[in-house]
This record gives sequence, structure tokens and C-alpha cells, in this order.
Amino acid sequence: DTAVSQTPKYLVTQMGNDKSIKCEQNLGHDTMYWYKQDSKKFLKIMFSYNNKELIINETVPNRFSPKSPDKAHLNLHINSLELGDSAVYFCASSQGKKATQFFGPGTRLTVL
Amino acid sequence: AQTVTQSQPEMSVQEAETVTLSCTYDTSESNYYLFWYKQPPSRQMILVIRQEAYKQQNATENRFSVNFQKAAKSFSLKISDSQLGDTAMYFCAFMKAGNTGKLIFGQGTTLQVKP
Repeated sequence: DTAVSQTPKYLVTQMGNDKSIKCEQNLGHDTMYWYKQDSKKFLKIMFSYNNKELIINETVPNRFSPKSPDKAHLNLHINSLELGDSAVYFCASSQGKKATQFFGPGTRLTVL
Repeated sequence: AQTVTQSQPEMSVQEAETVTLSCTYDTSESNYYLFWYKQPPSRQMILVIRQEAYKQQNATENRFSVNFQKAAKSFSLKISDSQLGDTAMYFCAFMKAGNTGKLIFGQGTTLQVKP
């Protein structure tokens, strides 16, 4: 009965590879988000989708591409991974854009 | 642009005592939301409390309460009767009441509750 789930929880890969992180929420929310938490624990928003429409696209390298196949899913694809992409990536969801956001467990990405 | 500042990188408190975590923010908006999230060693981000800027009454959730000073742009979190399970990193966050839902986080405060 997990509310917001992410797969995988851990991802270790080599520089230059392409990888995806998947997020699913079973809360019936219409808005989903991706946040990045760096090595200093600083959290910053990357993207947001509302009803499958992109509404936030922060200054993120275009190697990062979000995809929302439906309201319950928001995936993050990363091309040509770099060392600096190592971080914890959090998915979150909310009902509406002013509502409280509920976070997934995070995916720790390590690029070697 | 909005900014959120948590000036206490680390704090500690004895079990059963009270501790207050500080947060200040900078905005020209009049309508917004403020949050405290907790991140224990498990890494999960957990909502602790939410405050609407238009509400003068301070939000409370069991042992957690806030002191919201809109004019001073201050939003501190008070934890009463601290428990070992309160050990975590605490993040203050700001959201403009617009149409994006963008959360802006502070740098975080690591709280250690000692037995």
C-alpha cells in the first residue's frame, strides 16, 4: 500500500550510460514532481507534471528527460551520465499545485 | 526570487526536552505556504507541518508547533517532549501560492536527540 514508490532504490552505473528511474503513485493525485538532493543534502526541484502536462522545467541539462505516460506515473530518463549526476532523486506527488507534496523513498544514483 | 535560510546546520537536545529550529525566508509574495519536512536516516521525506500564510494562527501537530511571524518572515519549528525517533534532518520549505507547486527548500538542520 505504498503511496509513492520509486524503482530502483539504488542505481550504480558507469559514466556515459543511459538510465531511467520510475515513479508511481497510488494516491490519485494529478501532479507529480522530480527533486534532486545533492551530496550536501540540498534539495532542488527539477520537473513537475500536472495532468501529464509539463509545468515546471528548471535549469536542468537536456540529458534529463521526464516522461509522464499517465497521471499516476512520472519517469526520469538520463542520457550520457556524468559524475556530477550522482545524487538522490526524489519523486513526489500532490493533488493540485498548492497542496502538500508526498515524497517517494528516493533513488540513490551513483555514477562511477 | 524566493530564498529559504536555515542558520543552524546542527542541533542537539536531550530526550524529553524542547528544541526550536529556525527558518527565515525572503519573498515579495503575500500569499504562500510554508512547510517543515523531516528526513530521518532512512532517507524518506516526511511532512511534519504546513502553514498557510493567510492564517494568523500557528499550526500545530501533536508535539510539533510553529511560530509563524509573517512580518519578520520567520517560521520556526518547536518540538516538545523530544523523542529519539525525532533524530533526523529537518527542512524548511516555501511554496508560492501560484500555479506551479514549486517547493523551495532551506539547507536543512540536523537534529540529534540524546538519551
